[in-house]
Amino acid sequence: DIQMTQSPSTLSASVGDRVTITCRASQSISNWVAWYQQKPGKVPKLLIYKASSLESGVPSRFSGSGSGTEFTLTISSLQPDDFATYYCQHYNTYRWTFGQGTKVEIK
Amino acid sequence: EVQLVESGGGLVQPGGSLRLSCAASGFIFSNYEMNWVRQAPGKGLEWVSYISSSGGTKYYADSVKGRFTISRDNAKNSLYLQMDSLRDEDTAAYYCVRDEAVGAPYWGQGTLVTVSS
Repeated sequence: DIQMTQSPSTLSASVGDRVTITCRASQSISNWVAWYQQKPGKVPKLLIYKASSLESGVPSRFSGSGSGTEFTLTISSLQPDDFATYYCQHYNTYRWTFGQGTKVEIK
Repeated sequence: EVQLVESGGGLVQPGGSLRLSCAASGFIFSNYEMNWVRQAPGKGLEWVSYISSSGGTKYYADSVKGRFTISRDNAKNSLYLQMDSLRDEDTAAYYCVRDEAVGAPYWGQGTLVTVSS
């Protein structure tokens, strides 16, 4: 099975900071990566699909990039509403795989 | 509006069984592949099982293979997860998730399963 290794596990940042989260796949997966945001007690929210496509309604400060085995989620200017946990996901396969998650905390 | 509503969670002893249900509405259920994803308290997301739109193809995570069974009733717009031989480590919120080419934009609110003596 394909493994998704996400880093860092925790990230401390301030409002206005540029934030980057990385996900590495154990083998090439083309661009079949999605990114989710999850807040405590809430359901995961889809942000990015096919590595770099922004889901409808998601602010443009979120962007994704990468292909093959390395992928990144970038928040260009961190806003108070962005403090949450973020997960990458390999999909378009019968066995989804999620990264371990990155908690973005207030510095 | 797409809605996925899980039910059937609760407290069960180790070795026991539970059957989760997911009622789908707002879309043509029989057109979509579906998944169950779980999240243990304070932990990350873990894919559990997949079922094709017809129900003819099913896949399971190694952690639940042989103990859990996914099924669906397209006439009732419902997805199920039969969970047998439950273990402490199966304690989690279980989410019903629609499978799409863009990933997973639609999740149910989840149902909590607690395995404890």
